[in-house]
Amino acid sequence: AQKVTQAQTEISVVEKEDVTLDCVYETRDTTYYLFWYKQPPSGELVFLIRRNSFDEQNEISGRYSWNFQKSTSSFNFTITASQVVDSAVYFCALSGGMDSNYQLIWGAGTKLIIKP
Amino acid sequence: DGGITQSPKYLFRKEGQNVTLSCEQNLNHDAMYWYRQDPGQGLRLIYYSQIVNDFQKGDIAEGYSVSREKKESFPLTVTSAQKNPTAFYLCASTPSSVRGSPLHFGNGTRLTVT
Repeated sequence: AQKVTQAQTEISVVEKEDVTLDCVYETRDTTYYLFWYKQPPSGELVFLIRRNSFDEQNEISGRYSWNFQKSTSSFNFTITASQVVDSAVYFCALSGGMDSNYQLIWGAGTKLIIKP
Repeated sequence: DGGITQSPKYLFRKEGQNVTLSCEQNLNHDAMYWYRQDPGQGLRLIYYSQIVNDFQKGDIAEGYSVSREKKESFPLTVTSAQKNPTAFYLCASTPSSVRGSPLHFGNGTRLTVT
């Protein structure tokens, strides 16, 4: 069975602190994709990053970075020098199995609160 | 700019009434999806469509119906058979249904049934 676990229900930090959101996944597939999406208060989910199972290189995009480790089945997301605008719910998702996008497995989300 | 438009943003209905949520995209995407979001939970797939005039049930299709008569439009009807319809509904699309394509989302419709 496939599963995505975001154990942190809610995280609250003060602006400018670094924060890491955890994502642990389970899958028996050798080929799969992992995603992070951001859901601000407006409700729309915004795609942040996709990583395929053959690419374990970490990625940095401005203040955002992602650490993919197949050995621990984790795909963690770090925000450096957090800002109030980073406040949102963040979802991790897994796409595996058949060649179809509909089999996205979603984590429950982590609500991130950045206090000024 | 291209995107997905969901309307209305808020919808209120009495129990026992059917209600239709609109989803329109001008991204020229083949595949479209409906998700339901409940507080503290991840998204759950209701229906998806890979091509015009074809759609498939997702994980929680009971009490819902869809149509895909045009590439741009994928309306969702919440029927009176849906036992707990109050939720946030999100429409999404991808260029195709190939695994790995990131989803593009609309702003969602918050449905309240009393």
